[in-house]
Amino acid sequence: DAKTTQPPSMDCAEGRAANLPCNHSTISGNEYVYWYRQIHSQGPQYIIHGLKNNETNEMASLIITEDRKSSTLILPHATLRDTAVYYCIVRVAETSGSRLTFGEGTQLTVNP
Amino acid sequence: DGGITQSPKYLFRKEGQNVTLSCEQNLNHDAMYWYRQDPGQGLRLIYYSQIVNDFQKGDIAEGYSVSREKKESFPLTVTSAQKNPTAFYLCASSIVGQTYGYTFGSGTRLTVV
Repeated sequence: DAKTTQPPSMDCAEGRAANLPCNHSTISGNEYVYWYRQIHSQGPQYIIHGLKNNETNEMASLIITEDRKSSTLILPHATLRDTAVYYCIVRVAETSGSRLTFGEGTQLTVNP
Repeated sequence: DGGITQSPKYLFRKEGQNVTLSCEQNLNHDAMYWYRQDPGQGLRLIYYSQIVNDFQKGDIAEGYSVSREKKESFPLTVTSAQKNPTAFYLCASSIVGQTYGYTFGSGTRLTVV
């Protein structure tokens, strides 16, 4: 699975959009981009995933560049409860032997 | 409600003792996983299983053992051979063959005393 690069930390004001970047320059054509977040001392929570097209759900939006070498997770109106570590992961769809590999992620702190 | 249950939430173990962490899911997921997390670090894969009675080593399997006798259950044993067992242990499950993400349990924090 391709490796990813994320900034170690970011800050965001409550109510503003949080834009979390991720570089994955060695991504393969059949690898998806997944985002998870982990609130302190809890299990990670799935947020969103995508292959080529931009995706949106009730939690966030995922913007993938045309060359697929980078992506951005957007939390449109960040709240204090969005303070967490955000992980960007690339992997082949769930097939035999495919598994999630977590890096150290980005610590997002939402400030009042 | 469907989900993954890990028990206990906190566990204390004396050095040299084996201890088993429980993980049960009622999501009808095929695959189950065990991860270890140390303070300030990401998750590292210990073992995973995609079908009953079969499992594979992850990146840090030494000192751990697992079994998968039932689809719903994937217990992890931390043996005395694990030199630094104090950590946060997370269990997850997923559907094989689909792109959906993993569902994680709430974790077990193991402390060796």
